[in-house]
Amino acid sequence: KAGVTQTPRYLIKTRGQQVTLSCSPISGHRSVSWYQQTPGQGLQFLFEYFSETQRNKGNFPGRFSGRQFSNSRSEMNVSTLELGDSALYLCASSSSITSRETQYFGPGTRLLVL
Amino acid sequence: QKEVEQDPGPLSVPEGAIVSLNCTYSNSAFQYFMWYRQYSRKGPELLMYTYSSGNKEDGRFTAQVDKSSKYISLFIRDSQPSDSATYLCAMSYQGGSEKLVFGKGMKLTVNP
Repeated sequence: KAGVTQTPRYLIKTRGQQVTLSCSPISGHRSVSWYQQTPGQGLQFLFEYFSETQRNKGNFPGRFSGRQFSNSRSEMNVSTLELGDSALYLCASSSSITSRETQYFGPGTRLLVL
Repeated sequence: QKEVEQDPGPLSVPEGAIVSLNCTYSNSAFQYFMWYRQYSRKGPELLMYTYSSGNKEDGRFTAQVDKSSKYISLFIRDSQPSDSATYLCAMSYQGGSEKLVFGKGMKLTVNP
């Protein structure tokens, strides 16, 4: 079974621009979560989608948004990029919101904001 | 106090050593405990997954959860150079897709 895939793998943007990242979950998984990983803060939860609905949101500003499509693929968008948004953005998928199964991560998209 | 505390290391050991990695947490409501391994420039890979207290063994890896002490551990026996990576503990209140709260990660190097 193919794992979680994320595109693009690397991205360079300048301050003020916006960016869209894409995530395809493991086949059959309906939940997708997004995390930001930085050296200083570690891994922090951004938001989680299940059946096209955002179920949970972390403590990030409104510049960070996401959506999920009917095929469970998800995108996250960051508008008005700031230097501090430079990070590894990780997507994780899970088969259910209630099972004891946990989350599996993709390789991440490394974003550099100049 | 952070919800999950993990010594960031780094930790360097000789090949064949037994490695002990630990995390402490403050919220007794956590029920699910995970260990992920992350190689440089890769995403975290799930190593071990434990519900509630107890031990779980998978090959050279053993995960322990002590809820009374709010303390979890990962032991690696007969460590190999290929085990060199960052190890992250994570936990959640419920299973499934509920958000994970991570430790900062411990960077481990196993020297041949």
